[in-house]
Amino acid sequence: GENVGLHLPTLSVQEGDNSIINCAYSNSASDYFIWYKQESGKGPQFIIDIRSNMDKRQGQRVTVLLNKTVKHLSLQIAATQPGDSAVYFCAENPNAGGTSYGKLTFGQGTILTVHP
Amino acid sequence: DADVTQTPRNRITKTGKRIMLECSQTKGHDRMYWYRQDPGLGLRLIYYSFDVKDINKGEISDGYSVSRQAQAKFSLSLESAIPNQTALYFCATSDSSAGGGGYTFGSGTRLTVV
Repeated sequence: GENVGLHLPTLSVQEGDNSIINCAYSNSASDYFIWYKQESGKGPQFIIDIRSNMDKRQGQRVTVLLNKTVKHLSLQIAATQPGDSAVYFCAENPNAGGTSYGKLTFGQGTILTVHP
Repeated sequence: DADVTQTPRNRITKTGKRIMLECSQTKGHDRMYWYRQDPGLGLRLIYYSFDVKDINKGEISDGYSVSRQAQAKFSLSLESAIPNQTALYFCATSDSSAGGGGYTFGSGTRLTVV
């Protein structure tokens, strides 16, 4: 049944600190992973992605790490800013590759709060 | 203009009423999705369409129906709204190529059923 009323995991950091947001995914066959950022009142926005043939990928101030052995994904944000405050979701695609880019399964989300 | 536009942004409706949420996109993507977001439950897939003639149920399709009127338009209907359908609804699009990039989401429709 539904787990109504669950509280999302939260992470509070000071401006300028580095943030690490973690995600455990469920499907060992998933081979494409994405991090999304959702600000209040907006839809989720793409941050960074990684394919399963990689274990690390860097973007601007963000790094995604993938550990397939333990099915764990993390998002590192360097020098966190107040504008980074949002809910962060990981997503996995169990059917990526070729023309079979399929449906994403989303994690529950983590609330990041950055204090000035 | 937004790449993915949802209308209305907010809607309050009464139990038993039929309501339609609309989604249009200018991305040129062939795949479109409807998700529901509830506090603490993340995003759950209601229906998805991989092209105009393809409609598929997601994990929580009961009480909902969809119509893919054109490649750019995908509407979600609640046949007879009930209070536990109060939620934030998102439309999303993706490209069928393997190039990645994930989904592009609309800004959402906040639906309240009273």
